[in-house]
Amino acid sequence: EVRLEESGGGLIQPGGSLRLSCVASGLSVSSNYMSWVRQAPGKGLEWVSVIYSGGNTYYAASVRGRFAVSRDNSNNTLYLQMNTLRAEDTAIYYCARDASPGGVWGPSYYFDSWGQGTLVTVSS
Amino acid sequence: EIVLTQSPATLSLSPGEGATLSCRASQSVGSYLAWYQQKPGQAPRLLIYDASNRATGIPARFSGSGSGTDFTLTISSLEPEDFAVYYCQQRINWPPGVTFGQGTRLEVK
Repeated sequence: EVRLEESGGGLIQPGGSLRLSCVASGLSVSSNYMSWVRQAPGKGLEWVSVIYSGGNTYYAASVRGRFAVSRDNSNNTLYLQMNTLRAEDTAIYYCARDASPGGVWGPSYYFDSWGQGTLVTVSS
Repeated sequence: EIVLTQSPATLSLSPGEGATLSCRASQSVGSYLAWYQQKPGQAPRLLIYDASNRATGIPARFSGSGSGTDFTLTISSLEPEDFAVYYCQQRINWPPGVTFGQGTRLEVK
């Protein structure tokens, strides 16, 4: 069974930094395309970033240059380093697995497994 | 950026009725469209991918159709557990990116 568990959210002042973690079980983060998706309170979904199995990373324009996605293969954990946080970054952050079977298949950018999310609140 | 517009914003129906949800893209996305269901306090669940393929474990009462700019999610006969918010999502290969629609709330009439 695939399980994704996020942590690291909390209350942070504007301009501050935070690192989110997503511990995976039942899958290997190094062999999958893994994304972060966020949802502002009461709002819709917004894709944030992806890390490919090969290590390439890509970001939404709204976070590019401020956020960085990485992983620790030995601990099977995905990270999202968030810097220069703004009020509009307030959201529940989900990690999600791409539905692609991997290997010769590229990312599908469809998400078939999600964590329960961790709430980040940026406020003074 | 491709914008997805979902309609209606809210759909009020009774269990047993059929539901039709729409998603329109601002430019063609081919068949690269997915549908998700989200219940309060839960993460989204993938229902449909590539416009018409049901994800693993999704009941047959859920079906998707469309291509290009106009897509539809159909629920043939609503079960009590189907009342939720539904999002469509498209993906583009380059530069890599994903956008979601604003959602349709399916509520009990």
